[in-house]
Amino acid sequence: DQQVKQNSPSLSVQEGRISILNCDYTNSMFDYFLWYKKYPAEGPTFLISISSIKDKNEDGRFTVFLNKSAKHLSLHIVPSQPGDSAVYFCAASANDYKLSFGAGTTVTVRA
Amino acid sequence: DAGITQSPRHKVTETGTPVTLRCHQTENHRYMYWYRQDPGHGLRLIHYSYGVKDTDKGEVSDGYSVSRSKTEDFLLTLESATSSQTSVYFCATSPRALASETQYFGPGTRLLVL
Repeated sequence: DQQVKQNSPSLSVQEGRISILNCDYTNSMFDYFLWYKKYPAEGPTFLISISSIKDKNEDGRFTVFLNKSAKHLSLHIVPSQPGDSAVYFCAASANDYKLSFGAGTTVTVRA
Repeated sequence: DAGITQSPRHKVTETGTPVTLRCHQTENHRYMYWYRQDPGHGLRLIHYSYGVKDTDKGEVSDGYSVSRSKTEDFLLTLESATSSQTSVYFCATSPRALASETQYFGPGTRLLVL
């Protein structure tokens, strides 16, 4: 049973606009959340993370928001650029290094 | 980026044959992981290693075995490949066993079992 869910398989956004990717989780023991980005024929690379003691973490154009009561997190990319076209995986951990991943969201940034 | 290579990058094999995938790292990371990526499932942990000769099972370990005889190499073996093991396999490493510690991924091996 998948404990981390990304319900939108794909997202198309115009260059310069905001991309919002959503992730829901069911395990209340999860206390650390990460986003990974993956280009075709490459391995995933770490993008941004957030601890459960925070509700927001920002790194340049990327911001992750965590709503613990709703068991929901989101990744905002502002502004979206063509190089952001990739698959984005949400991942979560329950106080150890074992990660549970979502199925991924494919983002396409249109010129 | 951690220097992580995987070999082979692509493999086609037949049901019932043994297959070994190799992960090699040059970063001297203690922890290594094998994942498989399938549509609709994201990445799922198969096995992991927390040191030379120290390994343990992950979420989807049935049908797989691993070995780690030296820090830099982590082998994944399918003893008798089945069509359900057709997947993309990723190796990852990390220096410490912390959720906050970034895992560095290799480029992946695409395996097709006919």
